[in-house]
Order: sequence, then structure tokens, then C-alpha cells
Amino acid sequence: KQEVTQIPAALSVPEGENLVLNCSFTDSAIYNLQWFRQDPGKGLTSLLLIQSSQREQTSGRLNASLDKSSGRSTLYIAASQPGDSATYLCAVSPNAGNMLTFGGGTRLMVKP
Amino acid sequence: GAVVSQHPSRVICKSGTSVKIECRSLDFQATTMFWYRQFPKQSLMLMATSNEGSKATYEQGVEKDKFLINHASLTLSTLTVTSAHPEDSSFYICSARDGLLGNTIYFGEGSWLTVV
Repeated sequence: KQEVTQIPAALSVPEGENLVLNCSFTDSAIYNLQWFRQDPGKGLTSLLLIQSSQREQTSGRLNASLDKSSGRSTLYIAASQPGDSATYLCAVSPNAGNMLTFGGGTRLMVKP
Repeated sequence: GAVVSQHPSRVICKSGTSVKIECRSLDFQATTMFWYRQFPKQSLMLMATSNEGSKATYEQGVEKDKFLINHASLTLSTLTVTSAHPEDSSFYICSARDGLLGNTIYFGEGSWLTVV
């Protein structure tokens, strides 16, 4: 059974710092990996989607990498802002059916 | 862009009653919808996979007789929590797969259920 782990569980940084969120998964046979953002009490916003054949994806200040063989992904956030404060979730899908297994999330707080 | 709408966004019900949550794909046909549950400070857990016109597939540990899922059309799936108890209080999120757009999935905004 696929297990997804995110480290750290919580992170507090001053504004402007670059930071890295980690995600690991036990079964490397994935179809894709996604990073989501969740604001308190809200639904999910998809940030980046990496197909299993890809190594990284970039969107603005966000960069996600994927090392499928080692079961790891990182989300890099450059020049963090208070508005980045949220919970970040990574999730993997075993096939095109899009059934996702989520990690526990990293709660990020960016202080002004 | 494509939108998935969940209704209601918040609901409070009495213990022992049933409550229905709707998940609609507004401008695409969703052959598959997924229902997730999230307890406070925990991650999302898949409850069931719903395919239009067929019975839902439930994850281990999820009671199918308690969490009734109906996917009667390509744009609507419903989750009914029957005989709700306080421990069912949670955040329920659906997602829908647009098979025509490379299997892109979209998430609803979620529904807060509080059972008192």
C-alpha cells in the first residue's frame, strides 16, 4: 500500500526566505505526483503536476522536482511571502484514474 | 475554466439524521468522481471512487451502508451520510476527473459537516 510522508509537518519562516518542502512515497510505481495548497477550512488548489517521466515543473516562484526511483519530491518556494502561508500537500496517483494518496501536509507560516 | 461545485459548504445536523452532500462538475462531464474526508489537522483520506452509472468502490474501513454514494449522471455525484454521529463531523471534499482533458482532475471547495 502506498504511503506518502511529508517533512516537516510544520514550518515557520521569515518573509523572503527560500524554502524546501519534502515529500516521500514508498511505492515508486506512480503515474504522477501533485502538489496542492490548502488554506484553512478551504478546498484544494493544484499548484504543480509532475508526470512520472518528468523531473521537475516550475510555476512562478514554485519549483517541484521528482526523483521517482528514490521515491522523493521537493517543492521549492522562492522568496516566500506571508500570502504563501497555508498547508501544502503532496499526492501521488498510481494510474491515470487519478485516485490520489495524500501526504500529511506541511503547515507553512511565513511571518512578515 | 472547469469548476467543481460542492453543496452545501457547511451543514450542521442532529445526531441520527442523514445529510446529503452534492458534487457537481459545472462545465465538463465527469465519468469518475472521488470523495475524500479530512479530519482536523490531518490529511485527506480517500473514501470512495464513484463511476457514473455503477456502484462506488469504497476504501477499506469505509462503511458503504453509512456513506451512500450515488453517481447518477455525468455531472453529479452525491454523498449521503446516514444516521450521522458526532464522530462523522469532518471536512468532505470531492474531486472530478475530466476524461477529455488528459484526465485532469478538479477539486470542489469542500463541505464542513458538524454533527451535534
